[in-house]
Amino acid sequence: RKEVEQDPGPFNVPEGATVAFNCTYSNSASQSFFWYRQDCRKEPKLLMSVYSSGNEDGRFTAQLNRASQYISLLIRDSKLSDSATYLCVVPNYGGSQGNLIFGKGTKLSVKP
Amino acid sequence: EAGVTQSPTHLIKTRGQQATLRCSPISGHTSVYWYQQALGLGLQFLLWYDEGEERNRGNFPPRFSGRQFPNYSSELNVNALELEDSALYLCASSLQGAQPQHFGDGTRLSIL
Repeated sequence: RKEVEQDPGPFNVPEGATVAFNCTYSNSASQSFFWYRQDCRKEPKLLMSVYSSGNEDGRFTAQLNRASQYISLLIRDSKLSDSATYLCVVPNYGGSQGNLIFGKGTKLSVKP
Repeated sequence: EAGVTQSPTHLIKTRGQQATLRCSPISGHTSVYWYQQALGLGLQFLLWYDEGEERNRGNFPPRFSGRQFPNYSSELNVNALELEDSALYLCASSLQGAQPQHFGDGTRLSIL
């Protein structure tokens, strides 16, 4: 299994749709997880941190299933501005320190 | 509060030359990380510095090197440039190896 694996997409959805991205990770000792958003040719920006079973921030919900080593990101009521690549990220070390391991990203395109 | 700053924004070099990229972390952050994002590929970890010491190194050849200065700023040096080194080089900073990491805008290195 790759260290961090994501469905590359692209996901093409209409405005207002609900879309979910999945991510699997290989290090069972990982304690923290992150979703970053990257716009075309820009730097990644932190979207959500997940330290326990999940996290919710407005239209965005992240869920963690440690038994299956699986993280998901749910976006409700999609906006045009949500169009971006979403990166699933896990710290290299088992805890929450050190350099990050990035998935290759899932591309989302929200259409009017 | 100023974010992570990188210079130059763009750098054009030819094969065999040497490149130096610079990064200033967020004030108070002691850790600096370097990542490479080649076209069509995910972010790959290069180097992690904390308190002036190299803490971890990614799977890159020795011609990729760097250092961290007493003021926590950092340089990434790439010697004997090859065409495949063309990429966006991203610097991130955090508090002493902790998460989350905050990214700079990146330096786009083009090898002709």
